[in-house]
Amino acid sequence: GENVEQHPSTLSVQEGDSAVIKCTYSDSASNYFPWYKQELGKGPQLIIDIRSNVGEKKDQRIAVTLNKTAKHFSLHITETQPEDSAVYFCAASKGLTGGGNKLTFGTGTQLKVEL
Amino acid sequence: GAGVSQSPSNKVTEKGKDVELRCDPISGHTALYWYRQSLGQGLEFLIYFQGNSAPDKSGLPSDRFSAERTGGSVSTLTIQRTQQEDSAVYLCASSLTGTGMSEQYFGPGTRLTVT
Repeated sequence: GENVEQHPSTLSVQEGDSAVIKCTYSDSASNYFPWYKQELGKGPQLIIDIRSNVGEKKDQRIAVTLNKTAKHFSLHITETQPEDSAVYFCAASKGLTGGGNKLTFGTGTQLKVEL
Repeated sequence: GAGVSQSPSNKVTEKGKDVELRCDPISGHTALYWYRQSLGQGLEFLIYFQGNSAPDKSGLPSDRFSAERTGGSVSTLTIQRTQQEDSAVYLCASSLTGTGMSEQYFGPGTRLTVT
């Protein structure tokens, strides 16, 4: 089955700096890659996603890149703010080819944005 | 509008007891997922319901775990003869459909502690 690895497990940055979180996946059939933000005591919330026929996607301060050949994808947050502090999870699925969009998650990155 | 709701928010039970966890998905969402989040781990897929189709139970860790979805809406996850290793946060998610890039909306989870 699919295996998703995520690094780093913790990341501390100064406010205004950029943060990068990286994930690798094992199943070349995976075609959908969402990123979730989870705040303490809450369920994960989708912040951005990318499908396998796209190499990069951007939404304001957040961007995701995908390298299908190397089977890795990354989350980039620019101009970080204290409210960006949370746990971020990457995930992968074969949802675009049917059979349900069950997600395989990475182990999470605790991002701390310091003032 | 109302999001995904789960009850109870916390459950403490003794080893060997049965527990039932409830999920109320967003109205109109045809797909429903259960995930488990253990301490310091990512989210682990358990089971997936799509409309009236047979559920995908491929993620259930043992036959002590079962789930049902009545009337295509509310779902109940049942754990029989609970063990300490069952302690985790159980998250439910729903999406408009089970295919493509249909976003999964997560509930706040049920924190289960088995003593």
